[in-house]
Amino acid sequence: DGGITQSPKYLFRKEGQNVTLSCEQNLNHDAMYWYRQDPGQGLRLIYYSQIVNDFQKGDIAEGYSVSREKKESFPLTVTSAQKNPTAFYLCASSMGDAGMSSYNSPLHFGNGTRLTVT
Amino acid sequence: GEDVEQSLFLSVREGDSSVINCTYTDSSSTYLYWYKQEPGAGLQLLTYIFSNMDMKQDQRLTVLLNKKDKHLSLRIADTQTGDSAIYFCAERWMDSSYKLIFGSGTRLLVRP
Repeated sequence: DGGITQSPKYLFRKEGQNVTLSCEQNLNHDAMYWYRQDPGQGLRLIYYSQIVNDFQKGDIAEGYSVSREKKESFPLTVTSAQKNPTAFYLCASSMGDAGMSSYNSPLHFGNGTRLTVT
Repeated sequence: GEDVEQSLFLSVREGDSSVINCTYTDSSSTYLYWYKQEPGAGLQLLTYIFSNMDMKQDQRLTVLLNKKDKHLSLRIADTQTGDSAIYFCAERWMDSSYKLIFGSGTRLLVRP
């Protein structure tokens, strides 16, 4: 079955350490996204990538970094510069925009990684 | 601005209908989506509507779109306890990113 796999489900780190969250998809989707979810809040976009070897900052990119070396993979690194890293992180993918406003390209989500930094 | 707004909480009795409301911002939005999130899980796509439609029905789900007021609603008929979750509406942003902008979510509680 095709889908998006995020690992691990729970991650614990000490303050000051960088940590990398994994996201892999076998849906053959061009676009991939990282969102952050805090309790009682909606999803905020961290980074997105519409094609391999290219990515753009979202609304809250500070303290995070990404890479997109393969179509299937979009790892997110939470650096020590991120002031409040404890959150639920969601990875998503879509077919991409195809450059057409009428193109339906819903996001498909992984099951998330809950990161706790102490 | 980019705010998509939803009420935070809705409580209904099992078997009743639930109506979850959302207001969005971009008058040129093309697709609007409803997602469901169960505890500790990712978001599951429930349904979507294209902006040239007023209504879309899919089994127990009915989506209504009022473009003039930028208002979107999701009606769940015969609500069951398994429908208890957080529901997010999202609009497809019509700049070069085509990203989705999400509301803060409505927590639906279904009482037996």
